[in-house]
Amino acid sequence: AQTVTQSQPEMSVQEAETVTLSCTYDTSENNYYLFWYKQPPSRQMILVIRQEAYKQQNATENRFSVNFQKAAKSFSLKISDSQLGDTAMYFCAFMKHATNKLIFGTGTLLAVQP
Amino acid sequence: EAQVTQNPRYLITVTGKKLTVTCSQNMNHEYMSWYRQDPGLGLRQIYYSMNVEVTDKGDVPEGYKVSRKEKRNFPLILESPSPNQTSLYFCASSFTPGRYTGELFFGEGSRLTVL
Repeated sequence: AQTVTQSQPEMSVQEAETVTLSCTYDTSENNYYLFWYKQPPSRQMILVIRQEAYKQQNATENRFSVNFQKAAKSFSLKISDSQLGDTAMYFCAFMKHATNKLIFGTGTLLAVQP
Repeated sequence: EAQVTQNPRYLITVTGKKLTVTCSQNMNHEYMSWYRQDPGLGLRQIYYSMNVEVTDKGDVPEGYKVSRKEKRNFPLILESPSPNQTSLYFCASSFTPGRYTGELFFGEGSRLTVL
C-alpha cells in the first residue's frame, strides 16, 4: 500500500521569503503522479502543481516549484516570494497511474507573516 | 462554468437521523469519488464510482452508502449517522482513469456535525 508522509505539521515564513515544504512517499509502483494541493480557509481544494513520475524534469508553476527525487521518494514544494495569500494548509498526494485515487499526507499548515 | 456542486455546505444533525449529501458535476466526467477530511489524518477516500451503476469501496466505507444512477450525480448517504462521522466531506470527479494526466476536480466541501 502507498503512504504519504508530511513531517512538518506547521510552518511559518515571512512575506517575500522562500519556504520549502517536505513530503516523502512509499510505493512499489513505477508509474504514478504526485500533487500538491492548497486548502485556504475557504476549504476549497486547489491544485498547486503536478508531477508525472516518468518525467525527470521538476515541475514549476510560477512561484511554485518541486524537487522530485524519485529514488529517494521525496517530493518537496518550494514557494518563492511568499505572499499573504499563500497562507493555507498544503497537502501532498500520490496517485497510482490509471486509478484516479489520491492518497493524501496529513498536511502542513503554512502561515505567511507580514 | 465547470464545477462540482455539493449540498448542503453545512449541516448539524443528530445521531441516527438519515441524511444525504448530494454531489453533481457538469463536466461529463465518468469518475466520481467521496473523501472525508479529519484533523491529523488528511483526506481519505470513502467510495468511488467509475461510471453509472458502478461503485466500489474506498478506504473508509463503513457507515456510508452511495449510488450512481446518473452520470452527473453521486450522492453520499449516511443511513444512521454517528458522532464519529463528524467531518469535512469532499466530492471529486474526473475523466476515466488513463484518459488524462491526473487531476481531480473537487467540490467546495460539506461540513457535517453529528451530535
